[in-house]
Amino acid sequence: GDSVTQMEGPVTLSEEAFLTINCTYTATGYPSLFWYVQYPGEGLQLLLKATKADDKGSNKGFEATYRKETTSFHLEKGSVQVSDSAVYFCALRSDYKLSFGAGTTVTVRA
Amino acid sequence: EAGVVQSPRYKIIEKKQPVAFWCNPISGHNTLYWYLQNLGQGPELLIRYENEEAVDDSQLPKDRFSAERLKGVDSTLKIQPAELGDSAVYLCASSPSSGSGSTDTQYFGPGTRLTVL
Repeated sequence: GDSVTQMEGPVTLSEEAFLTINCTYTATGYPSLFWYVQYPGEGLQLLLKATKADDKGSNKGFEATYRKETTSFHLEKGSVQVSDSAVYFCALRSDYKLSFGAGTTVTVRA
Repeated sequence: EAGVVQSPRYKIIEKKQPVAFWCNPISGHNTLYWYLQNLGQGPELLIRYENEEAVDDSQLPKDRFSAERLKGVDSTLKIQPAELGDSAVYLCASSPSSGSGSTDTQYFGPGTRLTVL
């Protein structure tokens, strides 16, 4: 079945550091890929998405590129802020069903 | 535009008691989902509604869990009786549609955090 594997956390960074969270997937067909973010005390919010190979999703300085050859969708941000502290979930959508990774907790220190 | 609304936000109950969660999806969204999120894990789908019809309830533990969406808008998820292992966050999400091949984004509510003592 479909599955998502993402980098284990927690990840602790200093402000303005570079962030990468690795995500790989297993799926039949051609899924859409997503990154969701969950800020403390809040629900899941869509951060970015890509619907086909080589698409790049971007939002709030975050980027991820759909790499079919490596079945990956790694999340990157060049300069993190304290406000980026959250749990990040990689997910794939095949037909209607979303399959999530376990989440990566990111803490950014001032 | 208002997002997905859920209530209550937190619920603490004794084991063997019943509990219900309510969800109001984004206006105009035909598809509604209930997810279970255990601590340290990603959400897992429990049930999906297309309007008032439950089109996928294969992951819903039907011995104790039930759900309804009577008028195709609001939905209620119930557990009776609750067990210790039901402690988790219950998330509701909605999307405009979910037809095969659709890339409609799912929008999540803040969740209900259930603690069973």
